[in-house]
Amino acid sequence: RKEVEQDPGPFNVPEGATVAFNCTYSNSASQSFFWYRQDCRKEPKLLMSVYSSGNEDGRFTAQLNRASQYISLLIRDSKLSDSATYLCVVNDHAAGNKLTFGGGTRVLVKP
Amino acid sequence: EAGVAQSPRYKIIEKRQSVAFWCNPISGHATLYWYQQILGQGPKLLIQFQNNGVVDDSQLPKDRFSAERLKGVDSTLKIQPAKLEDSAVYLCASSTPRGPDEQYFGPGTRLTVT
Repeated sequence: RKEVEQDPGPFNVPEGATVAFNCTYSNSASQSFFWYRQDCRKEPKLLMSVYSSGNEDGRFTAQLNRASQYISLLIRDSKLSDSATYLCVVNDHAAGNKLTFGGGTRVLVKP
Repeated sequence: EAGVAQSPRYKIIEKRQSVAFWCNPISGHATLYWYQQILGQGPKLLIQFQNNGVVDDSQLPKDRFSAERLKGVDSTLKIQPAKLEDSAVYLCASSTPRGPDEQYFGPGTRLTVT
């Protein structure tokens, strides 16, 4: 089983719609969680951290479910510019702050 | 503030040849990472440096890959000899001394092994 698993997609989303997708992780000792965004042929960039209580940044909402070991990302009012691959990242502090990336979920927002 | 610099941006070599990549992290960032990203996959950590010491190289294929960060600033990653399956983007990232919660990535080097 992969340490961090994501549905590769693509999720085809009409502009203005809401899309949500999850990421599951296998290491229950994982302590920090993040979503990174990667545009085609570009480097990953931090989108947001994921806190236990859930957090929101504009149209983006991230949530963590430790009991079921998954995190989620929801995008409201999708824009064409939201088209990208969203990488789920898990940090295991006990392993020396090792970041493990999921394979990414591809989102395509269409007019 | 200048970002993470990498060179070359693209490299095409034949199998069994050698190749080296260079990375200069953001000034003041003590932690430096090399990742391999195969098309359609997420980045996989190859090696992590804290200053000039290795923190984690458990996923580095040491029979052919080597990396160094001699002065605790810039770093080189070498592959010798290259295999077809080494075709990937090699990403360098750095983070602040406070921790890796945000890693800043360079533009990557796209390697094609023919």
